[in-house]
Amino acid sequence: GDSVTQMEGPVTLSEEAFLTINCTYTATGYPSLFWYVQYPGEGLQLLLKATKADDKGSNKGFEATYRKETTSFHLEKGSVQVSDSAVYFCALGHSGGYQKVTFGTGTKLQVIP
Amino acid sequence: GAVVSQHPSRVICKSGTSVKIECRSLDFQATTMFWYRQFPKQSLMLMATSNEGSKATYEQGVEKDKFLINHASLTLSTLTVTSAHPEDSSFYICSAMGQGAGAQYFGPGTRLLVL
Repeated sequence: GDSVTQMEGPVTLSEEAFLTINCTYTATGYPSLFWYVQYPGEGLQLLLKATKADDKGSNKGFEATYRKETTSFHLEKGSVQVSDSAVYFCALGHSGGYQKVTFGTGTKLQVIP
Repeated sequence: GAVVSQHPSRVICKSGTSVKIECRSLDFQATTMFWYRQFPKQSLMLMATSNEGSKATYEQGVEKDKFLINHASLTLSTLTVTSAHPEDSSFYICSAMGQGAGAQYFGPGTRLLVL
């Protein structure tokens, strides 16, 4: 079955530091890959997505590249801000029809001034 | 676009009562809606998947008679927690997906506290 593994948190960084949150997956077929962000007390927001190999998703300075050869979708940001403090979830799903999305366990990011 | 709302955002109820949570897709038609439960500092646990006009598909271990799901239209799904008990206290999140969309769009969540 499908599964998503992401790095354990929490991750604590100083403002303007470089961020990497690792995510690897196992899946049948050709899934789409997502990063969701959850701010305290809120639901999840789609941060970025990639639907095929070598696609790069990007939004708000965050990037992730769909690497089929390494089955990875690592999230990166060159310079984090305090407002980026949240929990980040890597996920995969299959387009067409409906299928449930498989989430990783989430990685909490805390950015300190 | 792709806005999903939930109502109420927070509810406190007495043990033994039933609580209904609404999930609406505001600017698109949601052929499929999902209901999740999230425990503190944990990932989302999928409870059930519903298609408009069909019975919901429940995940293993989720009591369908306790968590009633109705997806009556392409923009509305409801989750009713029947005879709620303190252990049902949690953060309930819905999501919606349009036809062939691939991504799910999440509501802001409903925090349920059962006393």
